[in-house]
Amino acid sequence: DAKTTQPPSMDCAEGRAANLPCNHSTISGNEYVYWYRQIHSQGPQYIIHGLKNNETNEMASLIITEDRKSSTLILPHATLRDTAVYYCIVRAENTGTASKLTFGTGTRLQVTL
Amino acid sequence: KAGVTQTPRYLIKTRGQQVTLSCSPISGHRSVSWYQQTPGQGLQFLFEYFSETQRNKGNFPGRFSGRQFSNSRSEMNVSTLELGDSALYLCASSLLLAGLNEQFFGPGTRLTVL
Repeated sequence: DAKTTQPPSMDCAEGRAANLPCNHSTISGNEYVYWYRQIHSQGPQYIIHGLKNNETNEMASLIITEDRKSSTLILPHATLRDTAVYYCIVRAENTGTASKLTFGTGTRLQVTL
Repeated sequence: KAGVTQTPRYLIKTRGQQVTLSCSPISGHRSVSWYQQTPGQGLQFLFEYFSETQRNKGNFPGRFSGRQFSNSRSEMNVSTLELGDSALYLCASSLLLAGLNEQFFGPGTRLTVL
């Protein structure tokens, strides 16, 4: 699976949009971009994933550049409960064998009042 | 629908002992993966089970083992515990083999080895 690069930390004011970048310049054509987050002392939580089109769900939006070498996770209206470590993961399409998640160091997002 | 449950939540053991951790996946999920999380190494993949068979394995010594039962519940065992085994052990379940299906994590078992 391709390696990802994320800033170690970011701050965001409550109510504002949080834009978390991720670089995955070595991504392959069959690799998807996944985002998870981990709130302190809890297990990681799935947020969203995509291949090349932008995706949106009730939690966030995922914007993937046209060349697929980077992406941005957008939390439209960040709240204090969004304070967590956010992990960007690139994973190959399932070829019939199990595929493990490889987490990097992530971005520690601090939402402040 | 209940989430992934792990027992126990906290455990304290001494060096040389062995430990068994349990994971119950979301109802209907057939794949269970185990991860170790430490401050220094981050989240590392241990192994994955599907239909009672180990399908993938990470780079951990043979002291770490696991199994899955016919009801998809899984256990992992660590024998001859070392201080470095102190970590948060996370279990994740997914509907099928954890390829593209999102994995749902449990709260983890925090193991402290003294």
